[in-house]
Amino acid sequence: DVKVTQSSRYLVKRTGEKVFLECVQDMDHENMFWYRQDPGLGLRLIYFSYDVKMKEKGDIPEGYSVSREKKERFSLILESASTNQTSMYLCASSHSLGIGNTIYFGEGSWLTVV
Amino acid sequence: AQRVTQPEKLLSVFKGAPVELKCNYSYSGSPELFWYVQYSRQRLQLLLRHISRESIKGFTADLNKGETSFHLKKPFAQEEDSAMYYCALMNFNKFYFGSGTKLNVKP
Repeated sequence: DVKVTQSSRYLVKRTGEKVFLECVQDMDHENMFWYRQDPGLGLRLIYFSYDVKMKEKGDIPEGYSVSREKKERFSLILESASTNQTSMYLCASSHSLGIGNTIYFGEGSWLTVV
Repeated sequence: AQRVTQPEKLLSVFKGAPVELKCNYSYSGSPELFWYVQYSRQRLQLLLRHISRESIKGFTADLNKGETSFHLKKPFAQEEDSAMYYCALMNFNKFYFGSGTKLNVKP
């Protein structure tokens, strides 16, 4: 069974703190993604990684960075958390198949910045 | 640039009524389109994709390139269909999602 695991389900952080969100997949997928999910805005892509140490900015990368040192692990970093980063964060992964590809999601990490 | 639009934030229907969740896209090439569903307290999961031309849980979706639409339909809604539905487009292995439509099926 396909598995994308986000280690922290609920976090509360203070403004200005550095925040790490961790994601691990066990499907040997090349691609990994970080989205944020907000009511009325849907899922917005923050960053995309297509290989170890490789990344591309998504639609809303400002205030975020990512790290992919191993194929199975993709971390989202908030260098200095702000209240407008309070959101649900979704990690996902997929193969690089092109046609016929499917993206698989983790359960999400609820981040509250106070 | 690619974009996915779901014009309805909320759709409420009675059990047994037909359902149509709208999705429009803008994309210059040949799109690969999907519908994803999120039931309460569950992770997002694939419902169907246009290349498979399949029916899942009674839902179908037809790609209309002339109208750039990929609407999701079901002839008779069930209460267990209540969920959040997202239309998505894949471009060079990146997935772009719409803002989602919450479907509420009333008894």
